[in-house]
Amino acid sequence: DTAVSQTPKYLVTQMGNDKSIKCEQNLGHDTMYWYKQDSKKFLKIMFSYNNKELIINETVPNRFSPKSPDKAHLNLHINSLELGDSAVYFCASTFRSNGETQYFGPGTRLLVL
Amino acid sequence: GENVEQHPSTLSVQEGDSAVIKCTYSDSASNYFPWYKQELGKRPQLIIDIRSNVGEKKDQRIAVTLNKTAKHFSLHITETQPEDSAVYFCAASIMGLTGGGNKLTFGTGTQLKVEL
Repeated sequence: DTAVSQTPKYLVTQMGNDKSIKCEQNLGHDTMYWYKQDSKKFLKIMFSYNNKELIINETVPNRFSPKSPDKAHLNLHINSLELGDSAVYFCASTFRSNGETQYFGPGTRLLVL
Repeated sequence: GENVEQHPSTLSVQEGDSAVIKCTYSDSASNYFPWYKQELGKRPQLIIDIRSNVGEKKDQRIAVTLNKTAKHFSLHITETQPEDSAVYFCAASIMGLTGGGNKLTFGTGTQLKVEL
C-alpha cells in the first residue's frame, strides 16, 4: 500500500529514558514533517526535512533530534523523556514543489510515566 | 509568525442540518488554506483546500469560503450525517516560499458532533 507509516504505534516508557520513532513514506515525496498533538488535540509542527536537509526547526527542546537518512525516511529520537512529552506524534509528507497536501501517518502514541 | 484562530471549539448539530466552522489568520502572505478531518484515534486527513486566488470551492456537501481582505475562511458542511462527527482543523501556509517547507499552522480544532 502506498502510505505514510510510523513505528511504533504505541510507546509507553519511563521518565528519563531515550526512545526513537520511525517514519517512512513510499509516496515519492521529497519533504517530511514531525508534528506533536497534545492532549487538547492541538497540532504543532516540530521539524521538516526536504531531501534530507533540515528546513524547519521550531522551538523544540534539543532533547528532540530528527534524522533523515534519505528522503523516504524521517526518524525522531527523544532523549531524557519527560512527562510533558506524552502526546501523539504524527509524521507527514508532501512534494515541496507543489507543497500543499500533506499526508499524515497513523501517529505514535507516546506515554511517559 | 502565523497565528490561526478557530471557532467554535465544539459544535453540535442535528443530522441533516448545516455546520459552519470559522477561522482567521494573521499573516497576509498566507495563500493556502487546507481543512483536515480527524476521527477519533485516527490521522488527520485532508478534506478540502483553497488557494488565495479563489473565493470559494465546493466538493459535494463540503464548501470552503475565503475572504482575503478580512483574513478569514470558513468550512461549510451541508446535510450533516453521523459520520461527519470528528475534529476539524483549519490551517494556513505560504505556498511556494523559497527556503521554507510549506509550514502549516493549524487552528485549535472544532469537535463536531452530529446527533440523530
